[in-house]
Parts: sequence; structure tokens; C-alpha cells
Amino acid sequence: TQLLEQSPQFLSIQEGENLTVYCNSSSVFSSLQWYRQEPGEGPVLLVTVVTGGEVKKLKRLTFQFGDARKDSSLHITAAQPGDTGLYLCAGVRGNKLVFGAGTILRVKS
Amino acid sequence: NAGVTQTPKFQVLKTGQSMTLQCAQDMNHNSMYWYRQDPGMGLRLIYYSASEGTTDKGEVPNGYNVSRLNKREFSLRLESAAPSQTSVYFCASSWQGTGELFFGEGSRLTVL
Repeated sequence: TQLLEQSPQFLSIQEGENLTVYCNSSSVFSSLQWYRQEPGEGPVLLVTVVTGGEVKKLKRLTFQFGDARKDSSLHITAAQPGDTGLYLCAGVRGNKLVFGAGTILRVKS
Repeated sequence: NAGVTQTPKFQVLKTGQSMTLQCAQDMNHNSMYWYRQDPGMGLRLIYYSASEGTTDKGEVPNGYNVSRLNKREFSLRLESAAPSQTSVYFCASSWQGTGELFFGEGSRLTVL
């Protein structure tokens, strides 16, 4: 059982559509990170959210940390083919980083 | 900047063979990590080194050993490879244990 559950596991959409991916847990995290991984490469950090209820925007990407610091979401507006990749959330507990299984996003042109 | 460099990128082993994955970072980071990535499982921590001279087990350490050779280098050794160790292995580094991780490009290992 994953400590961090990500949903959906796979998402295939057309260019221009909006989407949201979720990262949920029954545990509290001191902060949460979102990474994007492209095929053949290592994950790259997109954002870190620290405060419950925090919302961060990165161009067309909006990240939210739940009030109770147990969940997070990533919303992409007007998805583009360049957004294609594996999106991973990772929660900080103590001195460890715990990863979810990821959401594979495919944006078709 | 090279960042985190892993070698080799690809390796095929027979069951029972041994091998070492090498990792080096040029960012003067204190902490280094080895993860494995399997479909549907995300990234699972094998071993980590919070600072030079220390190593600790992660979630899935069985069948692996590590060496923090110096501040830059952190190697992962498979003493007797098993098919269950077929995976993509990632080395990562960070300033501190819970900060941003910088990953290498991965090493794809197949054990026959």
C-alpha cells in the first residue's frame, strides 16, 4: 500500500483541455513536492508546497496543498503536448521523502 | 554543469552476477540517495547517505550494498543479482534530507 496515492494513474487528453491530478494520504506531511519526469530522464522538481491551504502557480500549472497537509492537487490549464510526462508527488515525513506511484499524462496534438 | 552523473546507463546481467552502479555529483551536496523505479510503484528508496561517512537503509535495501566514497561519490552494489532487481535505478542528491532532489538520468538494469 502506497503512503501517497496518486490518481488517476494514467490520463490521455487533447491539447487545450484542462486536467487535475491528485495526491492523497491519511498521513500528515510537513511539506510536499511535485516532480515531472520525461522518458529516459530523471524527475525534475516543479514546486514545493509547505503551508496548509497554500496555492502556488507556475505558468499554466496550479498546485494546492490541503488545509490538513494530507493531500495536494496539480491543475493544468490548456494542456500542451510539452506537458506530457510522469508527474510524481513526494511528501516529507521526518527526514525522509516518500514518493507516490505517479500519474502518466499524455497530451495529444 | 554535469549535476548528477550515473554509470552505466544500461546493463544486462545474469542471475548471480555482481555489479556496481556509480554515481557522482558536482553540486557539493551533503546527501545522496539511491532509488529504484518500477512500473506502478513509483520511486522507492534503497539506501541513502545523509552526509559523507554515513549510510542508512531505505525502504527496500535487501540485496544491495552502498559506499559513500567521498562527498561526491555514492555507489550501489548488487552482490548476487536476481531477476527481481530488474529495474531503473536513480541516484539523487540534495543539500539536506528533505530538500529538492536532483536526479541522474537513470541506469536501466536487466537481470536474466
